Amino acid sequence: SQTIHQWPATLVQPVGSPLSLECTVEGTSNPNLYWYRQAAGRGLQLLFYSVGIGQISSEVPQNLSASRPQDRQFILSSKKLLLSDSGFYLCAWRGRRGRFQETQYFGPGTRLLVL
Amino acid sequence: GENVEQHPSTLSVQEGDSAVIKCTYSDSASNYFPWYKQELGKRPQLIIDIRSNVGEKKDQRIAVTLNKTAKHFSLHITETQPEDSAVYFCAAGDSGNTPLVFGKGTRLSVIA
Repeated sequence: SQTIHQWPATLVQPVGSPLSLECTVEGTSNPNLYWYRQAAGRGLQLLFYSVGIGQISSEVPQNLSASRPQDRQFILSSKKLLLSDSGFYLCAWRGRRGRFQETQYFGPGTRLLVL
Repeated sequence: GENVEQHPSTLSVQEGDSAVIKCTYSDSASNYFPWYKQELGKRPQLIIDIRSNVGEKKDQRIAVTLNKTAKHFSLHITETQPEDSAVYFCAAGDSGNTPLVFGKGTRLSVIA
């Protein structure tokens, strides 16, 4: 069965510090991968998505970036964190069967607090 | 692009009553409509989904209906229980590589 991992689970970082969040998926190949951010009590904001290795689409202009160095690995980074980057970061994957996407599943999330 | 509207934003029901959450979408190419439940501090979990080739799908106390002509779909929870209290998100998408578009969520409170 498929499993999605995210780490770290929680993170407290000072303003201006760098960030690296990692997401890995097991049990599937060539998934579509997504990064979402959720501010406290708010909805799901799509940040980046990837349909393959090295292919990244950005949904919002931010001080964040994403990379997909391997088929089942998705990394979210920042060179300098802002206070507004605080939130719950969720990685998600969607399997593919031929040309068609299947159900989307979320990882356990990383709770980031920028002070 | 796709736009998904979800109503209401908050909903309170008495335990045992039914709850209905409604979503509308704009892109007629959308053919996949999942619903997620997010408990406090947890990840969203898929609870039910429907594809455009069916009009209704049921799983125990949960059902989803889809009206493609009117471009709206609804989540129905019957015999609500306190553990149904959570935020519910609807989403719409197609079978290609376009990401799902989510509604803004409905906070459901079931009062014992």
